[in-house]
Amino acid sequence: SAVISQKPSRDICQRGTSLTIQCQVDSQVTMMFWYRQQPGQSLTLIATANQGSEATYESGFVIDKFPISRPNLTFSTLTVSNMSPEDSSIYLCSVELGGGEQYFGPGTRLTVT
Amino acid sequence: AQSVTQLDSHVSVSEGTPVLLRCNYSSSYSPSLFWYVQHPNKGLQLLLKYTSAATLVKGINGFEAEFKKSETSFHLTKPSAHMSDAAEYFCVVSMTTDSWGKLQFGAGTQVVVTP
Repeated sequence: SAVISQKPSRDICQRGTSLTIQCQVDSQVTMMFWYRQQPGQSLTLIATANQGSEATYESGFVIDKFPISRPNLTFSTLTVSNMSPEDSSIYLCSVELGGGEQYFGPGTRLTVT
Repeated sequence: AQSVTQLDSHVSVSEGTPVLLRCNYSSSYSPSLFWYVQHPNKGLQLLLKYTSAATLVKGINGFEAEFKKSETSFHLTKPSAHMSDAAEYFCVVSMTTDSWGKLQFGAGTQVVVTP
């Protein structure tokens, strides 16, 4: 398995601002993923972030709104830009270690007012 | 395309009685399937996974799941529920060809355990 940390664990932000979420892994991994979990909902994949290449976004998510960086094999950031109350969610990063399953960070709980 | 359907959004069981969480999948090839658990205000934890080996998969905390290709099902069971099993459970399928590594989550089943 892997130990994954996220910062911040939670935040309350004003609409129109941006928040950058950090994801740190205790080992080098090729594939990292970012998910959104809206209140009372399941997880939805936002994008796949592989080191050395541009992030691949899922339908409904765009780079201008959710820019992602992946500067090395242990770290990634997700920015939620120009936030609105609809962006209030839990944002989770995960890693895949080669066995198919993913290991998840504790999540960042974002509230936009 | 791959998808999963969790047939119950909410399951209530008494402590000490069996738990059954139902999951059906749709896949054009032999999938990898997982069950994850999410306790309140906690992260996601992998319970077990199926990757085309034994069809009966044992996981952590006494849970197990059986892969039935003929029924396209991957139901999760536990013989005796404990209060600590109260959580949200997600059935998940891996999209393992052109979308390698991506996971498709079911809608989730909320489990309530009563004394």
